[in-house]
Amino acid sequence: GENVEQHPSTLSVQEGDSAVIKCTYSDSASNYFPWYKQELGKGPQLIIDIRSNVGEKKDQRIAVTLNKTAKHFSLHITETQPEDSAVYFCAASGGNTPLVFGKGTRLSVIA
Amino acid sequence: DAGVIQSPRHEVTEMGQEVTLRCKPISGHDYLFWYRQTMMRGLELLIYFNNNVPIDDSGMPEDRFSAKMPNASFSTLKIQPSEPRDSAVYFCASSSTGDGYTFGSGTRLTVV
Repeated sequence: GENVEQHPSTLSVQEGDSAVIKCTYSDSASNYFPWYKQELGKGPQLIIDIRSNVGEKKDQRIAVTLNKTAKHFSLHITETQPEDSAVYFCAASGGNTPLVFGKGTRLSVIA
Repeated sequence: DAGVIQSPRHEVTEMGQEVTLRCKPISGHDYLFWYRQTMMRGLELLIYFNNNVPIDDSGMPEDRFSAKMPNASFSTLKIQPSEPRDSAVYFCASSSTGDGYTFGSGTRLTVV
């Protein structure tokens, strides 16, 4: 089955700097790659996703890139703000199979 | 829409007791998922349903765990008997085919 590895597990950045979180997946059949943000006491919330027919997608300060050959995808957050502090999860799935999640990255934005 | 609704938000129970967690998915979504979140294991899929039918329950840790979806607007996850190692946050999520998941706020279960 699918296996998703996520790095780093913790990340601290200064406010205004960029943050990058990387994930790798194992199943070449996977074709859907969402990213979730989880704030304290809440459920994960979808923030951006990308499908295998696209190499990059951007939504304001966040962007995701996908390299299908290398089986890795990344989340980029620019001009970080304190409210970006949270745990971020990547995930992967193929066809009708359920999402498999990475272990998460705790991002701290220091004002 | 009010989103995915889970109840209760917190549950504290004694070892050996039965625990029932409840979930109301988003109307129109045809998939429902139950996940468990712990620090050690992250987000683990326990079971998922498509059109109210259980598709894969291979993630259910033991026979003590069971889940049902009697109709499109309600699902339960039951643990009987509960054990301290079942303590975790349990999430329900729903989706339409091919779309991302919407998670509920979770139930924090503590078994003492």
